[in-house]
This record gives sequence, C-alpha cells and structure tokens, in this order.
Amino acid sequence: EVQLLESGGAVAQLGGSLRLSCEASGFIFENYAMAWVRQAPGKGLEWVSILSGSGLSDYYTDSVRGRFTISRDNSKNMLYLQMNSLRGEDTAVYYCAKDTTGGAPNYYFDSWGQGTLVTVSS
Amino acid sequence: DIQMTQSPSSLSASVGDRVTITCRASESVSVWVAWYQQAPGRVPKLLIFDASTLESGVPQRFSGSGSGTEFTLTITSLQPDDFGTYYCQQYQDYASFGPGTQVEMK
Repeated sequence: EVQLLESGGAVAQLGGSLRLSCEASGFIFENYAMAWVRQAPGKGLEWVSILSGSGLSDYYTDSVRGRFTISRDNSKNMLYLQMNSLRGEDTAVYYCAKDTTGGAPNYYFDSWGQGTLVTVSS
Repeated sequence: DIQMTQSPSSLSASVGDRVTITCRASESVSVWVAWYQQAPGRVPKLLIFDASTLESGVPQRFSGSGSGTEFTLTITSLQPDDFGTYYCQQYQDYASFGPGTQVEMK
C-alpha cells in the first residue's frame, strides 16, 4: 500500500523559510516522479512543483519559481520542498503526491499524502 | 497558461441521481484530463485519467468523456460516499486544476 507522510508544516514569518518533508513507502520510490500540490484554506487545488524519479528534472509553477526548491533523497525515500521568501498567498495545506510515471512526469497523481499546513503570518 | 473552468460550481442531488459535471479548458488539451474526488476532510482521490480511463478500484458508476476543450464527468447513480468536491485537471501543459464542483446532498 502506498503511503505518503508529510511533515514540516508550521507558522512561518512573512519573508521567512520552511522545509517540508514527505516520507514515502509501499512502492519503488526512485521509479516515480513526485510532486507538491497545495490547497489554500477553503480553496481549490494548485500544483506547485514536480521532480522526476532520478531527481534530475524539476519544474515549478510560476508563482513559486525562484523561491521554492524541490528535492529528493532516493536512498531514504524522502521528498522535500524548501520554501524561501514566503508570502501570505503561500498559506495552504501542502500535499505530497505520487505521479504515475518516473521519467518525464505525467503530471497527474494517483496517491496523495494527508497534507501539512503552512501558515505565513506577518 | 491553460485555465480550467467547471460548471456548475455546486449542485444538490439525491442518492440514485445521475450527476454530470462539465469542465472546459482555455485551449485544447487533447485527452490529457484527470478527474479527482475530494470528500469533506479527505485528500483528493484520482478517479479518471486520459479523459475517460477509470482508475483501478474506482466504481463503474463514474465515467468521463471529452477531448479538446470540453470534458464531462458523469456519476450514473449517486451514492452516499460520492458527496464532496470534484476537480478536473489538465496535464497537457504542466498541471492546472479547475475550481471544483461541490456535490451536496439535497
């Protein structure tokens, strides 16, 4: 059974930094691209970033490019999101999500974690 | 960027009803559309990908159709577990989601 467990969500200061983690189990982690998708309180879903299975190719939505960095450690089955220069609009539940392929991502997601809440406060 | 819209934004239905949700893309996305269900307080669940392919384990009362810019999710006989919010998503160009359609109990 695929399991994804996020951690690291917290209250952060405007302009501050936070690092999210996602521990994966139940599948061959390095064989799949992994993504972060967020959901602001009471709002819809927004794709944030995705990383290929090898970790060599990363992609970002425009609003976070240059501020967020996605990475992974395949030896530990871990996915990360380093979030810098945080803004109020980054406040959301951040989900770790498994893509359906490992090379070039398919960009749709067949397993989701429970999410971790990031609140950016002034 | 490809924008996705959904209609209606919400609907009320009863158990056993047939429900149809429409999703439109701002430009052609071929068949690269997925549908997700998010029950209240739960995480999104993949229902359909490639516009019409049912994800493994998803009941056959769910179906998807469409291509280009217009897509439809149909639930043939609504069940109690089906209430929640449904999102379409394109993956022709990175990923973007529709705003959601909330399915409520009448």
